[in-house]
Amino acid sequence: DVKVTQSSRYLVKRTGEKVFLECVQDMDHENMFWYRQDPGLGLRLIYFSYDVKMKEKGDIPEGYSVSREKKERFSLILESASTNQTSMYLCASTPELGVYEQYFGPGTRLTVT
Amino acid sequence: GDSVTQMEGPVTLSEEAFLTINCTYTATGYPSLFWYVQYPGEGLQLLLKATKADDKGSNKGFEATYRKETTSFHLEKGSVQVSDSAVYFCALGPRKGPNTGTASKLTFGTGTRLQVTL
Repeated sequence: DVKVTQSSRYLVKRTGEKVFLECVQDMDHENMFWYRQDPGLGLRLIYFSYDVKMKEKGDIPEGYSVSREKKERFSLILESASTNQTSMYLCASTPELGVYEQYFGPGTRLTVT
Repeated sequence: GDSVTQMEGPVTLSEEAFLTINCTYTATGYPSLFWYVQYPGEGLQLLLKATKADDKGSNKGFEATYRKETTSFHLEKGSVQVSDSAVYFCALGPRKGPNTGTASKLTFGTGTRLQVTL
């Protein structure tokens, strides 16, 4: 079974802190994604990566950056956390280009105070 | 651009009731369509999919038919159980082809929460 893990289920951070969210998949998938999930807004794509060191902006990249140094790991970085970044963050992966079935991690609920 | 519209929730049903969750889409060409489910405290998981017009996806008693003429992909189940309580997301992905792009991006609807009671 494909497994996507996220480093924390719950995080509480203060405004202005630098925050790292880690995602690891164990099935050698090419594509990885970061979404945020908010009530009434569904899932919105922040960034995605289709190869090591390759990344593309999604629909809402402002205030975020990403890093993919190894194929299995995709990190989301909040350079200076703000209260409007309080949300559920979901990581996902797919095995190859043009495959749309995405495998999701359990999510990280981030609260910025 | 592509978009997905789902019926607003929450939807509250008694066990063994019939379920319909409406989903319509706007997309260029002929997208692939998906239903994902998110159980409490978990990430999303694929429930079913359809890749071309008139295809019917099915899984765990749920069904959805890809209707090109009405641009719809409504989710149905004949008899819901308490264990079906979850949030359901409709999604689309562009049709696979030479111009698909560099990644497998999905467009999601806003989700519909289903609560099933005894």
